[in-house]
Amino acid sequence: EVQLVESGGGLVQPGGSLRLSCVASGFTFSNYWMSWVRQAPGKGLEWVANIKEDGSAKYYVDSVKGRFTISRDNAKKSLYLQMNSLRVEDTAVYYCARDAIYYYSSGSYYKRLDYWGQGTLVTVSS
Amino acid sequence: DIQMTQSPSSLSASVGDRVTITCQASQDIRKYLNWYQQKPGKAPKLLIYDASNLETGVPSRFSGSGFGTDFTFTISSLQPEDIATYHCQQYNSLPYTFGQGTKLEIK
Repeated sequence: EVQLVESGGGLVQPGGSLRLSCVASGFTFSNYWMSWVRQAPGKGLEWVANIKEDGSAKYYVDSVKGRFTISRDNAKKSLYLQMNSLRVEDTAVYYCARDAIYYYSSGSYYKRLDYWGQGTLVTVSS
Repeated sequence: DIQMTQSPSSLSASVGDRVTITCQASQDIRKYLNWYQQKPGKAPKLLIYDASNLETGVPSRFSGSGFGTDFTFTISSLQPEDIATYHCQQYNSLPYTFGQGTKLEIK
């Protein structure tokens, strides 16, 4: 059974830092891209960042570039999100998700965020 | 970034009703669209991938269609357990973007 378990959320002051972790089980972690997605209270979903299977490529939404860093440790089957210079607007539940790409026999592909963790709440407030 | 406009933002329907939600992309995203269901306090769950493919284990009353900029998500016969918020998501290009969500309630 695929499981993703996040941790590390909490209350932090504006300008502070926090490191989120996500531990994976039930699949070969090193074979998949992984993403972080967040959801502010009462709002929709916002994709934050993703990372390639071997960590060699990373992408971010503009609003977190230069402040957040995504990383992974395949030996520990773990995904991380280092969040610095936190702002009130970063308050959200943060989910990790498996970011899977599959190929049809024709060579075309499809992608899906097919498994999600339960989320961890980050609150940025003074 | 590609903007995803989902409508309606909320919907009230009766058990057994046919329910339709639409999602419009700000540019051509071909078939690169997924639909998720999110129940209160829970993580999103993938229902439809690649615009029209039903995820394994998802009831056949759920379906999706569309290509290019206009997409539709349908529940053929609403059940009480379908009460949730539904989100569309494009993966044609990064950043992935989501619609604002449709909150579905029972009338």
